[in-house]
Parts: sequence; structure tokens; C-alpha cells
Amino acid sequence: SQTIHQWPATLVQPVGSPLSLECTVEGTSNPNLYWYRQAAGRGLQLLFYSVGIGQISSEVPQNLSASRPQDRQFILSSKKLLLSDSGFYLCAWSPSSTGGGGYTFGSGTRLTVV
Amino acid sequence: ILNVEQSPQSLHVQEGDSTNFTCSFPSSNFYALHWYRWETAKSPEALFVMTLNGDEKKKGRISATLNTKEGYSYLYIKGSQPEDSATYLCALKTGANNLFFGTGTRLTVIP
Repeated sequence: SQTIHQWPATLVQPVGSPLSLECTVEGTSNPNLYWYRQAAGRGLQLLFYSVGIGQISSEVPQNLSASRPQDRQFILSSKKLLLSDSGFYLCAWSPSSTGGGGYTFGSGTRLTVV
Repeated sequence: ILNVEQSPQSLHVQEGDSTNFTCSFPSSNFYALHWYRWETAKSPEALFVMTLNGDEKKKGRISATLNTKEGYSYLYIKGSQPEDSATYLCALKTGANNLFFGTGTRLTVIP
């Protein structure tokens, strides 16, 4: 069966520090991968998605970047965190076919920038 | 970024009551409509994926309907139980990889 792992669960980082959140998927090949963020009082916002190794699409301009160095690994990064980067970050995957199945989400990372 | 609206924002019901929520979305560029249940301290869990106008889907006491022409979907819960307490999210898919979420309806079922 497919599983998705996301870590760390919580993170408190000072302004200006770097960030690296990691997400890995097991039990499937060539998944579509996504990073979402929920800021306080707002809905889930798509940040990045990837349809293959090295292929990253960004949905909104921001202080973050994403990379997919391996088929089932998706990394969210920042060189210098801002206070506005605080939020709840969720990684998700879906099958690469266009059948349109539901997304499977990781357990999330709560990031607080202080 | 598309505007997917959900109402009400929050809802308290007594155990055993039936309830429903609304998701409205722009009907242009429709690809699919997803519903998720997000329980506290857990990951969002997919409930339904609907693609055709008039679709009705059911899972136990929970069901959903879809009207793509007028741009709305309803989620129904029959005989609410405390374990149904969660935030229910709808999301509009406009292409292969674009899934836009509403802000959710937070349901609390009072025993």
C-alpha cells in the first residue's frame, strides 16, 4: 500500500534562517507531488507541484522553493525565512494518470517563524 | 487562484441530527470536485471525487451531490455522530494538477 511521510511535525525557526521540509512517498511510482500551506484563518493554498524528477511548477510567487531530486522525494526550502512563512505545510500525492483520484496527504508540518 | 466558497464556516449539531454543507465554485474550467474530511491532528482524507454534472456519491452516512452548470455541491451527513466532528473541505480541480480548496466547514457534533 502507498504511504506518505512528512517531517518534521513541528518547527520553530528564527527569521532569516533557512528551511528544509521533506516529503517521501512509498508504494507508488511517478506520483504527482504537491506542497500546500494553510496560513492562519485561510484555506489550503497550493504552493508547488511536480509531475516528475526535476519538474517543479510554482503557483504563487513567494519566498520558498521546491525540488524533486528523486521520483518519490519532494523538498520544500527557503534560504531566509520571513514571519509570513509561518503556517501549516502539507505534502500530498496523487496518481500520475489523469483519472482524477483524490489526493493523499502527509501529516503536516507546523512552522512558526519567530 | 479561483474562489471556492464553503458555507457555513462552522456548525454545531446534536448527535442524531442530519446536516448539510454547501460548496460553490465558478462553473467554467471544471474538471472535478473533491470533498475531504480533516480531523484534528490528522491528515485530510479524501471522501469523494465527482466529475459529472448530477453525480451523487455515498459513503456510509455521508453523501454528496454535484451541479456543475450552476457551480455548487452539497455534502450531507445523516444521523450525525460525535466521530463526524471535523472540518470538511471541498476543492475544485480545473486541470490535471490544479486543486483549489475552500476554507472548509467546521462541524462539531454534540453528544
